[in-house]
Amino acid sequence: GNSVTQMEGPVTLSEEAFLTINCTYTATGYPSLFWYVQYPGEGLQLLLKATKADDKGSNKGFEATYRKETTSFHLEKGSVQVSDSAVYFCALIDNTGNQFYFGTGTSLTVIP
Amino acid sequence: EPEVTQTPSHQVTQMGQEVILRCVPISNHLYFYWYRQILGQKVEFLVSFYNNEISEKSEIFDDQFSVERPDGSNFTLKIRSTKLEDSAMYFCASGKGINYGYTFGSGTRLTVV
Repeated sequence: GNSVTQMEGPVTLSEEAFLTINCTYTATGYPSLFWYVQYPGEGLQLLLKATKADDKGSNKGFEATYRKETTSFHLEKGSVQVSDSAVYFCALIDNTGNQFYFGTGTSLTVIP
Repeated sequence: EPEVTQTPSHQVTQMGQEVILRCVPISNHLYFYWYRQILGQKVEFLVSFYNNEISEKSEIFDDQFSVERPDGSNFTLKIRSTKLEDSAMYFCASGKGINYGYTFGSGTRLTVV
């Protein structure tokens, strides 16, 4: 079946630190991969996506590369800001498009 | 930028009552979804909807749940007889297809008392 496993949180970093949130997946076929972000009290916002192997999604300084050989889609940012504090969800959607499979979410807190 | 709109943002209801959660997807989207997130827990799939019918549903989506697209714009989730454990944030999402990002609404927080 399809599933997403992501790094347990919470993660606390100082401003300008480097961020990595690990995400690995299990899927049949060729899924599309996503990172969503949820700010406190808000809904899920698409952060970035990649639809095929070796694609790199990027947005707002975040990036993730679709690695089929390691079935991974790790989220990285070179220099985090306090405003990046949120919960980050890795997700995949399979070829049928019938549902997203979400990871458990990783809470990030950035301190000044 | 187009948005998925959900109403109400917060609803409090008594156990056993029926609730209808409303969503207005983005107008040219074809795929519609409901998800829920119990406080502090993972986002759970409820149901997907395409071409005016359910394409997939989870074990959570039992007989107390139903979805409807009553007109060209709204997409509703009905919970017939609410239970305390239905308290959660319910998210609607819509999309154009599997190679595109899906847009989520800001959610309806349902509190069953």
